[in-house]
This record gives sequence, C-alpha cells and structure tokens, in this order.
Amino acid sequence: GAGVSQTPSNKVTEKGKYVELRCDPISGHTALYWYRQSLGQGPEFLIYFQGTGAADDSGLPNDRFFAVRPEGSVSTLKIQRTERGDSAVYLCASSLIRTSPYNEQFFGPGTRLTVL
Amino acid sequence: AQSVTQLGSHVSVSEGALVLLRCNYSSSVPPYLFWYVQYPNQGLQLLLKYTSAATLVKGINGFEAEFKKSETSFHLTKPSAHMSDAAEYFCAVSDLRAGSARQLTFGSGTQLTVLP
Repeated sequence: GAGVSQTPSNKVTEKGKYVELRCDPISGHTALYWYRQSLGQGPEFLIYFQGTGAADDSGLPNDRFFAVRPEGSVSTLKIQRTERGDSAVYLCASSLIRTSPYNEQFFGPGTRLTVL
Repeated sequence: AQSVTQLGSHVSVSEGALVLLRCNYSSSVPPYLFWYVQYPNQGLQLLLKYTSAATLVKGINGFEAEFKKSETSFHLTKPSAHMSDAAEYFCAVSDLRAGSARQLTFGSGTQLTVLP
C-alpha cells in the first residue's frame, strides 16, 4: 500500500512569508507526528496528533508554528512569518496507534524548506 | 529526559568489512531503542528495534544490534558491508513516560561510506 506522502518535496520562500506543508499518512493510522531535521542533525519532535486533536505540541519552537488535522487523516503544518532559521527538512510520520511503543512510526520523504 | 549519543558522525569501511555504528542512550526508564536508516531523498526506514524481549536484535539487510544495559549502549553491526549500505543511520529512543506521545528522540546520525 501507499506510504506516508508529503507535499511539496521542496519549498523555497522568502523571509516573512507564510508556508503550509502537507502530510498524507498511511490509511488507517490514527497517530501522526511532525519532526524537523536541521542540517547535520537528527530529527526533532514537533507535534503529535491522535485522531483530530493535537495531543502533544511541546516540540513546537514558538507560536509561529501551528498544525492541524481536521478530519483525522491529512495534516498541515503551518509556519507564519518564516525566518531563515526555519530552513530544514520537515518530516511526517504515522503509526497505527500511540499507546504501544511497538508500533513502528513510518516516515514520509520530507519537505525541504528553504527560507531566503 | 532521554537522549541519544552517536559516536562518529562519519564512518568509512571497505566493502566486505565489519560495520560498527555506536549508540549510547540516557533514559530514566527502561528504554525502547531503534535504528533507522535514511537513504538520500528518502524517508527514514526502520532497521530494527529493541523492546525488552531479547537483548540481541536482528533487523533487515543483515544488521543486528545488542542492548547492553550496563554500558547503556545499543551499537549497530553488520558482519560484511555492501555498497548498498551507504546511507545515514540514526539511533533513537522512545519516550515511555505515562501519557507521552511516544515520540522518538534521535541521535545526530552517522554517515556510513562503503569503499570499494
């Protein structure tokens, strides 16, 4: 079956602009995660959804970052007033349920965001 | 708080030689540990996971890892490197605190180069 997909694969924007990054999880996966991977670093947790609600947004760096998942499937990560420091690869992952750590997180290919 | 340290950001081995990628963790609770591989322009793929069932874990593509509590380590090995193993490898620990999102905390990664 189809894996996690993310669009766009690349996004170049100017400082101060607004961007939206989309994630389509694996069908039937109720848990959805966003991570950010800066150059030379491992992915860092941003936010977690169980169903439609953001159950844990403790990783969001500031209030310019926001994410939604209105129907419990597709999620959109929104970044307002982008800054050069936001440049990174944004990864989305989904898993069947959250409660068991046995449930593997399946990762999408990521969206590479470049803020000029 | 949990953390993962990967010693050596770059490792080079000859084709057919032993691969050893080092990972040490810090966790206040018994950890669940993972190794992921990332090929260029692709998403993270799970190689193997430790979930307390057995200390020696076998994964895909001939990789295995051994959990050593006394050394707080989870090193990744493969007896004989293949050219196709060239990629970036990430060690990760799952947050098992009650009520947590089970998000992964990643190390900074090790880039494996396989020389002909």
